[in-house]
Amino acid sequence: GAVVSQHPSRVICKSGTSVKIECRSLDFQATTMFWYRQFPKQSLMLMATSNEGSKATYEQGVEKDKFLINHASLTLSTLTVTSAHPEDSSFYICSAHGGSGANVLTFGAGSRLTVL
Amino acid sequence: DAKTTQPTSMDCAEGRAANLPCNHSTISGNEYVYWYRQIHSQGPQYIIHGLKNNETNEMASLIITEDRKSSTLILPHATLRDTAVYYCIVRGNSGYSTLTFGKGTMLLVSP
Repeated sequence: GAVVSQHPSRVICKSGTSVKIECRSLDFQATTMFWYRQFPKQSLMLMATSNEGSKATYEQGVEKDKFLINHASLTLSTLTVTSAHPEDSSFYICSAHGGSGANVLTFGAGSRLTVL
Repeated sequence: DAKTTQPTSMDCAEGRAANLPCNHSTISGNEYVYWYRQIHSQGPQYIIHGLKNNETNEMASLIITEDRKSSTLILPHATLRDTAVYYCIVRGNSGYSTLTFGKGTMLLVSP
């Protein structure tokens, strides 16, 4: 089945620094990937839609200059949290449609960001 | 996408069947019912989806009522590893649209 890989799984950074999270579709091509954020004891919230070769589409309330998304190839999307602050600490999860179940959204294992 | 309503939490004894209900009374004719689960600190995992017929795979069975206003996910023999939050999501099946997650049902499987 379709596999989506995220890296790193955990990252700790100092306030004010930038952190990049990678999302890869391992055995299929993904023209569209989705980035979600999940705070403790809350559900997943869609942040943005990443489109290969074009600009990402951000949900209302998500700062595009703070959460930079690059979808440079059909198998890789990156999310960069710029000038991270403690309130950006969260569980970031990417997903993509792909493989034999094209209408099934496959999720990565998530990346836990802790900003000190 | 139609809204869904699920119980906040449920308990199940290991080895017994877990039946997780979901109400989606405003579902439209071209919308599918999807079920995902999220084990603690992991990404969501796809379980099953259906339109109007009952579906079964190696993980679970999905029973959709004839009027499609509700459905039940059945885990036939729950194990401790099935402890997770289960999300019922209604979505159209055209294009590459995303999923909107509600609060889901926290299923606790106990020995």
